[in-house]
Amino acid sequence: SQQGEEDPQALSIQEGENATMNCSYKTSINNLQWYRQNSGRGLVHLILIRSNEREKHSGRLRVTLDTSKKSSSLLITASRAADTASYFCATDGGGDYKLSFGAGTTVTVRA
Amino acid sequence: GAGVSQTPSNKVTEKGKYVELRCDPISGHTALYWYRQSLGQGPEFLIYFQGTGAADDSGLPNDRFFAVRPEGSVSTLKIQRTERGDSAVYLCASSSSPSDTQYFGPGTRLTVL
Repeated sequence: SQQGEEDPQALSIQEGENATMNCSYKTSINNLQWYRQNSGRGLVHLILIRSNEREKHSGRLRVTLDTSKKSSSLLITASRAADTASYFCATDGGGDYKLSFGAGTTVTVRA
Repeated sequence: GAGVSQTPSNKVTEKGKYVELRCDPISGHTALYWYRQSLGQGPEFLIYFQGTGAADDSGLPNDRFFAVRPEGSVSTLKIQRTERGDSAVYLCASSSSPSDTQYFGPGTRLTVL
């Protein structure tokens, strides 16, 4: 079963704009991860944020985590055409090695 | 170093046939995972290996699915009597420990005709 849910399901933005997507989950977690997937193939790891962290940055990516609301957000700043992909959040269910993924947010960046 | 590799990248087979999918994890990673991703969905957990043993195979859908990792490195996912519903992308991931980041391979797209 899939624990995480990403919102929105799809997002279309102009190059240079910011893209924000959200993830909600149901059970407690030790950490939450965001992945990117191009063309339905391998997932590329973006950021891991631990349950005791509230915000994390990596380049143009910013991830926030609110464990009280069981939600996370991923912000991509100054988007590029190469950011066009599906983005997934994955939770570990409180230390479980099994990652639970949502159905993803499909982001299209228009040139 | 090299990432996770999977072979073949695509596999087309007929209903009822047997298939094997291979995963080469990152060198030194003791934890290895298989996931399955259907169209429009996120990956779903199948099985987890710690070293040579399958520590958790609770995600395998039925007994037609089996996986091995005999030397604690390469793993093979085996599917007997394939059905059309088995068509999906099969993803392998590895990590240095169960609580660390899982790094995914490019996947094998299985199509059962």
